[in-house]
Amino acid sequence: DAGVIQSPRHEVTEMGQEVTLRCKPISGHNSLFWYRQTMMRGLELLIYFNNNVPIDDSGMPEDRFSAKMPNASFSTLKIQPSEPRDSAVYFCASRVYRGRTGELFFGEGSRLTVL
Amino acid sequence: QQQVKQSPQSLIVQKGGISIINCAYENTAFDYFPWYQQFPGKGPALLIAIRPDVSEKKEGRFTISFNKSAKQFSLHIMDSQPGDSATYFCAATISNFGNEKLTFGTGTRLTIIP
Repeated sequence: DAGVIQSPRHEVTEMGQEVTLRCKPISGHNSLFWYRQTMMRGLELLIYFNNNVPIDDSGMPEDRFSAKMPNASFSTLKIQPSEPRDSAVYFCASRVYRGRTGELFFGEGSRLTVL
Repeated sequence: QQQVKQSPQSLIVQKGGISIINCAYENTAFDYFPWYQQFPGKGPALLIAIRPDVSEKKEGRFTISFNKSAKQFSLHIMDSQPGDSATYFCAATISNFGNEKLTFGTGTRLTIIP
């Protein structure tokens, strides 16, 4: 079975450029989460969706970040304009809504470097 | 606001030894405490989890010890092996019928040396 698929795996861009990260959740999973991982702060929840509807975006750092989930099999996280402090590994995770509590299935991450 | 504090940041243990990672939480409403394991270049994966109605849960060489009064829980890896070398994250959440949000600790990089 395919797991959570993220693209790109690596992205290097210059400050001010737009960055779009993509995620395909596991088929049948209807909750999707975006996390950011840094050495200093560990794993931080940015936003999550249930049945394609954003439930909580309180972790989104600022208006430069936006996320969408147009259908059950695709989500994007966009940063515009990007800044060096956005450099991190961004993870997408999915689960079955009301499935086993606390069990998230993570993708392999998108490593973003903003110069 | 750090709701789950994890220590140590890094840990080196000899093969066959016991690895111990500690976490402390602040929110007494948390009622589910999973541990995730992350290998380099991979996403975290659920390893083991516990609810506060028990003080210990064991799965193979991995054991969670839970102290509700102290608001602390820890992961013990017995007979640590080089294949256990990874980053470990503790987490906590409030069960909410599908609307759970996991709050993670900052992670512990574990290295098992021969």
